[in-house]
Amino acid sequence: GENVEQHPSTLSVQEGDSAVIKCTYSDSASNYFPWYKQELGKRPQLIIDIRSNVGEKKDQRIAVTLNKTAKHFSLHITETQPEDSAVYFCAATAQGAQKLVFGQGTRLTINP
Amino acid sequence: KAGVTQTPRYLIKTRGQQVTLSCSPISGHRSVSWYQQTPGQGLQFLFEYFSETQRNKGNFPGRFSGRQFSNSRSEMNVSTLELGDSALYLCASSLGRRGGFSSYEQYFGPGTRLTVT
Repeated sequence: GENVEQHPSTLSVQEGDSAVIKCTYSDSASNYFPWYKQELGKRPQLIIDIRSNVGEKKDQRIAVTLNKTAKHFSLHITETQPEDSAVYFCAATAQGAQKLVFGQGTRLTINP
Repeated sequence: KAGVTQTPRYLIKTRGQQVTLSCSPISGHRSVSWYQQTPGQGLQFLFEYFSETQRNKGNFPGRFSGRQFSNSRSEMNVSTLELGDSALYLCASSLGRRGGFSSYEQYFGPGTRLTVT
């Protein structure tokens, strides 16, 4: 069945350093890969996404890369700030449908 | 535009009861997806509705059901509640039009926190 593996489960970095979170998906038909940020007690918020016809996408301090051959995609956050502390989820569409399969989440902590 | 709204925000029920949760999507969005979020299992897909039809379904028992109305608002029902149903139930809306990647972008509501005792 469809599966998305996300690593690491927890990540602690110094303010100003970079953070990288990696995900691997199993469904070769997956064609849309969003990333969500969820702060404590709040709803998941879409922060960036990438389509299967693109290899990389950037939005200010965040970027996402996609390797379709290897079936993995990554989130890169540069110049981290305390407000980046949150749980980050990756996801992939299943069988090209609206259904999203989520990774288990990464708790990112930015140390001042 | 107003965001996705969910009611109620908190709910306490006892085992064996049933519950109905409501979700109002962003104006113009025709697809509503439901997810269950628990600390142990993460975000699990329940089902997705588009134009009043269930298009996709996750691996949950038949006690979990849903529907969508002509105004795209959606309800989710859980019958014969079990302790393990305690979770945050999130709905997400998207344009949902077939074809075109913009239709995939899903925006979440604040969730309904269900506690079963």
